[in-house]
Amino acid sequence: EPEVTQTPSHQVTQMGQEVILRCVPISNHLYFYWYRQILGQKVEFLVSFYNNEISEKSEIFDDQFSVERPDGSNFTLKIRSTKLEDSAMYFCASSGGGKGNEQFFGPGTRLTVL
Amino acid sequence: AQRVTQPEKLLSVFKGAPVELKCNYSYSGSPELFWYVQYSRQRLQLLLRHISRESIKGFTADLNKGETSFHLKKPFAQEEDSAMYYCALSPAVGYNKLIFGAGTRLAVHP
Repeated sequence: EPEVTQTPSHQVTQMGQEVILRCVPISNHLYFYWYRQILGQKVEFLVSFYNNEISEKSEIFDDQFSVERPDGSNFTLKIRSTKLEDSAMYFCASSGGGKGNEQFFGPGTRLTVL
Repeated sequence: AQRVTQPEKLLSVFKGAPVELKCNYSYSGSPELFWYVQYSRQRLQLLLRHISRESIKGFTADLNKGETSFHLKKPFAQEEDSAMYYCALSPAVGYNKLIFGAGTRLAVHP
């Protein structure tokens, strides 16, 4: 069964550095999402992406964040200048492709900002 | 405000006991409600959604619009049901964001 994949599984970075988190959604899906979960807190919506543009973003998704679908398979989340409070688990999800709006989640990338 | 509340962080039961994981939501429109589950070392996966009215792995959930609740129930818990359960809301039927509750850890003891 096709799955959403994410790389790396764990990223450690210094405060102020740029990071790019990578996701490969399920191939025939059309809708893509990023969520994050700070340790001990809720899973929070960051952004949704459809037809090569952002369809919705949360208050968390400020100018430090950007998303891109650089080719037909990857979906990336960039954090331009990381802060300590960006440390979290980041989940990618995708939906569409005949299974309605069920979102399929990746395993997550744990981002640690030092 | 759009909010999902799961009042219990941990629910601990013995095998064979009934289980009810509570979920209340706050939203003024007609949301779609889901239960997602995360087993140990696995990814988040959909368990069930209110519009399909299915029973999955013996779990059911009924949307009560009057009480704005979507509680998850199973009459006889199994050890393999031990997992983290998240209630989630989508503001409308369609391809939208999910708003998650804080999650309830279900521990089923032998």
